[in-house]
Order: sequence, then C-alpha cells, then structure tokens
Amino acid sequence: GQQLNQSPQSMFIQEGEDVSMNCTSSSIFNTWLWYKQDPGEGPVLLIALYKAGELTSNGRLTAQFGITRKDSFLNISASIPSDVGIYFCAGSDSWGKLQFGAGTQVVVTP
Amino acid sequence: EAQVTQNPRYLITVTGKKLTVTCSQNMNHEYMSWYRQDPGLGLRQIYYSMNVEVTDKGDVPEGYKVSRKEKRNFPLILESPSPNQTSLYFCASSPPHYNEQFFGPGTRLTVL
Repeated sequence: GQQLNQSPQSMFIQEGEDVSMNCTSSSIFNTWLWYKQDPGEGPVLLIALYKAGELTSNGRLTAQFGITRKDSFLNISASIPSDVGIYFCAGSDSWGKLQFGAGTQVVVTP
Repeated sequence: EAQVTQNPRYLITVTGKKLTVTCSQNMNHEYMSWYRQDPGLGLRQIYYSMNVEVTDKGDVPEGYKVSRKEKRNFPLILESPSPNQTSLYFCASSPPHYNEQFFGPGTRLTVL
C-alpha cells in the first residue's frame, strides 16, 4: 500500500509549548485525518480535512491539507498535560481506504 | 451512547486454535473495518465492508476472515492463529461517503 511518512516519531515538550507534526505521502489524497490515541484506547478523530489548502481548527489544534494534496500538518498550541498520547495522520484517496502514518508520540512535562 | 464495541478486550491463545473477535456498532453505519496496530507501523487495514454482504481486502488480509451478515456486526475470524498475529486489533465504522472512522477500544491478542 501507499506509504505515509509521519514525523517526528516522538517529541518531548514542556507544558505551554507549541507542537508541530506532519505527514507526507508519495501519492495524492483527497482526505486527510488526524487522530489521537490515549494509552489503552482506540484512536479518536481530532480533525478531518477534505479540500486542498484547507486550514481547520479545533480548539488548540490546527491542521492543514497541503496544496499538493500529498501532505498535511497538525499544530497544537500551548500544550497541556492531557495532550500526551500518540497522534496519527491518515490519508485516503477513496472512501473506506485509510492509510495511517506510524504515529508521533507526544510527552508533555510540567 | 454512540459507540463501537469489541469483545474480548484481551485474549491469549495458542497457535492453531480458531478464534473470533466480535465487533458491533450502534450508529447504523454502512462501513466497517478491521485494523491491526503494531509498534512503529501505525494501523494497517485488514478487511473492510461497505455494507451487508460486501467485504474487501485491506493491506494485510492474510490469515484473517470476516463476514458481514448484519449491518451492526463485523466479526474478525482467525481460523488458525500464528504468533505473528499477536497484535492490537481495532474495529472501526463510518457513515457512507465519509472517511471519519470511529474506533472501538481495541482487542489485545497474544498467540503463543
């Protein structure tokens, strides 16, 4: 299947800092999704992007669908301890077929 | 409460002993899917179903079977489990024409 490159693999940040992560693909997608997974739970959808160039916010989270349709980024502003978890990007070129990145582990220290 | 449920949540079994992991959703979603999650690999799709009696292979279908006889249920069957199927499994569902998938809580499977 298609390969999604998600970076960074992990990040250790202090409370209050901003966080940025991104995903790139070798192929074009028509949907980008960002999920968060807490320990012992399933991924939870944070933001869905359906249009190239689209910039969408959800509270302290902001995500963008790259103009080339091959990349997306997620920013978290003013991180708090509950932001800890694994963040996954997922891309799709057709309904039902999602490709996931390997995830970014975020650790927030007080 | 709208949710996807999976059972069991934890399972330890031995090589070759057939098992079924159940998945059920109460949101009347047409689409359901199974993923496995392994360290460093993210989630990889095993099988998916667009509707009742319609199933298709994902990226890693070998060693797995599925069936979709009712809209709400999508069981994952391992006819002869092997140790390389030790993994964390997630079921997901979504409404038609949207890729916003809702995930279950996961099933941690260990095959000895």
